[in-house]
Amino acid sequence: EDQVTQSPEALRLQEGESSSLNCSYTVSGLRGLFWYRQDPGKGPEFLFTLYSAGEEKEKERLKATLTKKESFLHITAPKPEDSATYLCAVQRGAIRGTYKYIFGTGTRLKVLA
Amino acid sequence: GAVVSQHPSRVICKSGTSVKIECRSLDFQATTMFWYRQFPKQSLMLMATSNEGSKATYEQGVEKDKFLINHASLTLSTLTVTSAHPEDSSFYICSARGGTGGYNEQFFGPGTRLTVL
Repeated sequence: EDQVTQSPEALRLQEGESSSLNCSYTVSGLRGLFWYRQDPGKGPEFLFTLYSAGEEKEKERLKATLTKKESFLHITAPKPEDSATYLCAVQRGAIRGTYKYIFGTGTRLKVLA
Repeated sequence: GAVVSQHPSRVICKSGTSVKIECRSLDFQATTMFWYRQFPKQSLMLMATSNEGSKATYEQGVEKDKFLINHASLTLSTLTVTSAHPEDSSFYICSARGGTGGYNEQFFGPGTRLTVL
């Protein structure tokens, strides 16, 4: 059965304290892995797409990496404004053309000043 | 590019009434739109997939007569919650596939908070 698991569930960091969020997955025919940021009461904001093992993407203080079983979102020297819930989603091969995502439960990140 | 809007952002209604939520892709054509539901501190639960000009595909356990979806154009999909009850209170989010990001990315709207009294 397709599954996406994110850890930790919650993470508190001091400003400047780098860390990594994990997204492990089991899915047949991975078409893509996606990272989103969600602020309270808002819709998810797209961050990255990763398609194949070994791929890396960077944006400001964030760097996403992908292996055959998991993805990491590395946060370097975080700031309080990086506080949010980070969601990971995978997309498997089209089932009746739907291209739907399977979401993890997210990691709630709090960065303290 | 890849901006998705939702309207209204917040709605309060009485039990038994119907509520319509609009989802628009503002700067791109979306052949596929998705509707999600999110409970507090939980992840997104896919309700249905909507393709322009065809019937929506509902996920198991989602009542199609309760949650009516119409995808009349490449930039507009609507979700109507019929005969709403307090248990339908939730945060509803739409997404659209397409835009500048690529073929597979979904871009999400800001969400609609529905409260049924």
